[in-house]
Amino acid sequence: KQEVTQIPAALSVPEGENLVLNCSFTDSAIYNLQWFRQDPGKGLTSLLLIQSSQREQTSGRLNASLDKSSGRSTLYIAASQPGDSATYLCAADFLSSGSARQLTFGSGTQLTVLP
Amino acid sequence: SQTIHQWPATLVQPVGSPLSLECTVEGTSNPNLYWYRQAAGRGLQLLFYSVGIGQISSEVPQNLSASRPQDRQFILSSKKLLLSDSGFYLCAWLTGNTGELFFGEGSRLTVL
Repeated sequence: KQEVTQIPAALSVPEGENLVLNCSFTDSAIYNLQWFRQDPGKGLTSLLLIQSSQREQTSGRLNASLDKSSGRSTLYIAASQPGDSATYLCAADFLSSGSARQLTFGSGTQLTVLP
Repeated sequence: SQTIHQWPATLVQPVGSPLSLECTVEGTSNPNLYWYRQAAGRGLQLLFYSVGIGQISSEVPQNLSASRPQDRQFILSSKKLLLSDSGFYLCAWLTGNTGELFFGEGSRLTVL
């Protein structure tokens, strides 16, 4: 069964700290891996998409990496701010998901940045 | 640019009543469309996806159904709601070129 796991479920850090969120997946045959942010009561906002052929993507203070061989992706947030507080989810688009592209989601890491 | 709209944003319904949630996408044609549910404290569960008009695939057996009457319209329905149908429902579409998934703002359903 293809699964995506995110540990820890919750993380609390002081403002200004650099931090890493982890995502692991069970099958290295993926189209891409995507990171999302979800604020309470809101939909998911796409942060970064890493194609299978790429090793990392950057957007502002965010950097996502992909290591297919180990089945891992990380989201690095530099100089964290209270506004970064949200739940971060990763999702993998597995090659064998069938006739239509489907993403398999992790359960998310709830990040709290303390001022 | 492409946008995705969902409504209603919030819905409170009694057990046994019908449901209709609507999702429309603008700025693209023939998108892959998805309905997800996010229950409290749980991850995202894929309910239905559609690759074209009238083409619906169900991932989870339940009392919900989906329809795609037009290219950019995706509807989630139920004839009789259950308490367990409460949750946050999210519509999403997948870009054909990059495979990036974009979500609507969600519809929160409370069944009493």
